[in-house]
Amino acid sequence: EAQVTQNPRYLITVTGKKLTVTCSQNMNHEYMSWYRQDPGLGLRQIYYSMNVEVTDKGDVPEGYKVSRKEKRNFPLILESPSPNQTSLYFCASSQRDRDVYEQYFGPGTRLTVT
Amino acid sequence: RKEVEQDPGPFNVPEGATVAFNCTYSNSASQSFFWYRQDCRKEPKLLMSVYSSGNEDGRFTAQLNRASQYISLLIRDSKLSDSATYLCVGGGTSYGKLTFGQGTILTVHP
Repeated sequence: EAQVTQNPRYLITVTGKKLTVTCSQNMNHEYMSWYRQDPGLGLRQIYYSMNVEVTDKGDVPEGYKVSRKEKRNFPLILESPSPNQTSLYFCASSQRDRDVYEQYFGPGTRLTVT
Repeated sequence: RKEVEQDPGPFNVPEGATVAFNCTYSNSASQSFFWYRQDCRKEPKLLMSVYSSGNEDGRFTAQLNRASQYISLLIRDSKLSDSATYLCVGGGTSYGKLTFGQGTILTVHP
């Protein structure tokens, strides 16, 4: 089954404790992206990647890191999480040789930073 | 001003009604537009692309007005299952960079 998976789905952590949210897709998509969703603000793009070893900042990259060492994986790293990073996070992917914006989303990761 | 703006609603309509959402965008360089649907606590899913010529998919019609910089989504004969949040998306100012509107909540009641 074609899908985007994220782990963990739920995470409660404390300020300053480094964490990684994994994202993996099995569709051989070149494009991958991370978003956060907050009430009243909608989905905001954090980082995106057009291909392996190619990443770019979205609208809200501060406090986040990403890496793209393999085509299928695009982990999101929070080196020192803070309470304002409490949010619902989505990973997405799409084919680059088609319209890059027809994205498939993962199920989401609900992160709480206390 | 936000790059992509939507009326958050909520829109409450009876079954069978026709409902329309608009979304405005501020960056005239935006090339691509989409409507996504998001059910409560679930991931967004692509509903339809928006083309300059307009496009229709069953009960759904999407249109783009570049002169006035807005896109619209029309839903005819609303069903209970249409209840969801509808997100408009603009992209193309930088390849790969996408901007979502904050979403419009639709509730269809019996």
